[in-house]
Amino acid sequence: DIQMTQSPSSLSASVGDRVTITCRSSQSVDNYLNWYQQKPGKAPKLLIYAASDLQSGVPSRFSGSGSGTDFTLTISNLQPEDFATYYCQQSYNTPWTFGQGTKVEIK
Amino acid sequence: QVQLVQSGAEVKKPGASVKVSCKASGYTFTSNYIHWVRQAPGQGLEWMGVINPSGGSTTYAQKLQGRVTMTRDTSTSTVYLQLSSLRSEDTAMYYCARDSGGPPRFDPWGQGTLVTVSS
Repeated sequence: DIQMTQSPSSLSASVGDRVTITCRSSQSVDNYLNWYQQKPGKAPKLLIYAASDLQSGVPSRFSGSGSGTDFTLTISNLQPEDFATYYCQQSYNTPWTFGQGTKVEIK
Repeated sequence: QVQLVQSGAEVKKPGASVKVSCKASGYTFTSNYIHWVRQAPGQGLEWMGVINPSGGSTTYAQKLQGRVTMTRDTSTSTVYLQLSSLRSEDTAMYYCARDSGGPPRFDPWGQGTLVTVSS
């Protein structure tokens, strides 16, 4: 199975900050890397697919980059509604695996 | 709009089985694979398996092999997840999610079904 490792596990940030979350895979997943946002009590929501493509309806302050084994999710100008947990996920092969999550909290 | 609606919460005793449904609407049911993902309380996301609604073929996570069954009913555009020999560790929120195709990704997700295993 491909292992996905996110860092940091949690972070504190202020409204307006720029936040970067990294995700590393144990082997190359090409660009088959997706990012999801999950708020408490809610299902995850797709933000970024294929490493850097913004899902329709997602604000442009979210962006993704990377390929192979190293990926980043960047949130520029953090907004109050962005405080949530973020997960990366590889869809290169089954089992599709997720990172452990990064919780973005209010400073 | 594309929507997945899941059945309601379940409480089961250890050793029992549970069957969760996921009804799809807003698209051609047989065009997209459906996956199941679970999340134990306070934990991360765990992929359980996938079903092709067109032919019914399935792929399951190795750790669940022998206990998990995914089926579909094309007449009602519904997929089902059955998990048997339940243990306390199976207590979790269970989500279905559509592989929206092209670059594979989960979109949308069902609202989740809480399964509680307790004696």
